[in-house]
Amino acid sequence: KAGVTQTPRYLIKTRGQQVTLSCSPISGHRSVSWYQQTPGQGLQFLFEYFSETQRNKGNFPGRFSGRQFSNSRSEMNVSTLELGDSALYLCASSLRQLNTEAFFGQGTRLTVV
Amino acid sequence: GDSVTQMEGPVTLSEEAFLTINCTYTATGYPSLFWYVQYPGEGLQLLLKATKADDKGSNKGFEATYRKETTSFHLEKGSVQVSDSAVYFCALKNPAQGGSEKLVFGKGTKLTVNP
Repeated sequence: KAGVTQTPRYLIKTRGQQVTLSCSPISGHRSVSWYQQTPGQGLQFLFEYFSETQRNKGNFPGRFSGRQFSNSRSEMNVSTLELGDSALYLCASSLRQLNTEAFFGQGTRLTVV
Repeated sequence: GDSVTQMEGPVTLSEEAFLTINCTYTATGYPSLFWYVQYPGEGLQLLLKATKADDKGSNKGFEATYRKETTSFHLEKGSVQVSDSAVYFCALKNPAQGGSEKLVFGKGTKLTVNP
């Protein structure tokens, strides 16, 4: 069974640009969550999608957005990139059932220069 | 809101030493508790979980017991190996949050095991 796949693995962008990251969940998993990992702030929840609807959102500015497609694949977008957006972005998929765990992808390393 | 506090380390041990990484949480209701591990350049891997009070999660020689009276979920291993060197994260998921899959993480503890 394939795991969670995130593409691309690495990205370098310039301040002011926008970026789109992709996540394909484990087959059968309909919930996809996104996290930002930085040395200073640790792991912070961005948002969760289930059945193409955003179910929960973390405390991030509106420049961070996402969506989910009918096949459960998800994308997140960051517009007007800032240096502070440099981070490892992790995607997790789950069954969205009580007492179940989330499975993480390897992440996308975004560097903003 | 919900929160997780874990010892940040770094922790350096010799091979075959005993490991404890402390984790305490604050949450309403009955959260599920998890330990995830992150190896360099990788995402997070689930190490173990516990979903109710007094549950013990175990995997690969690691153990943690869900203690509701002390709101703790300390990670232990009797004899660490060099291959256990990684960053360990304690996390909770709270069903009281409307069924959300949101995980709340501690800051992580970097473990280095020397031969």
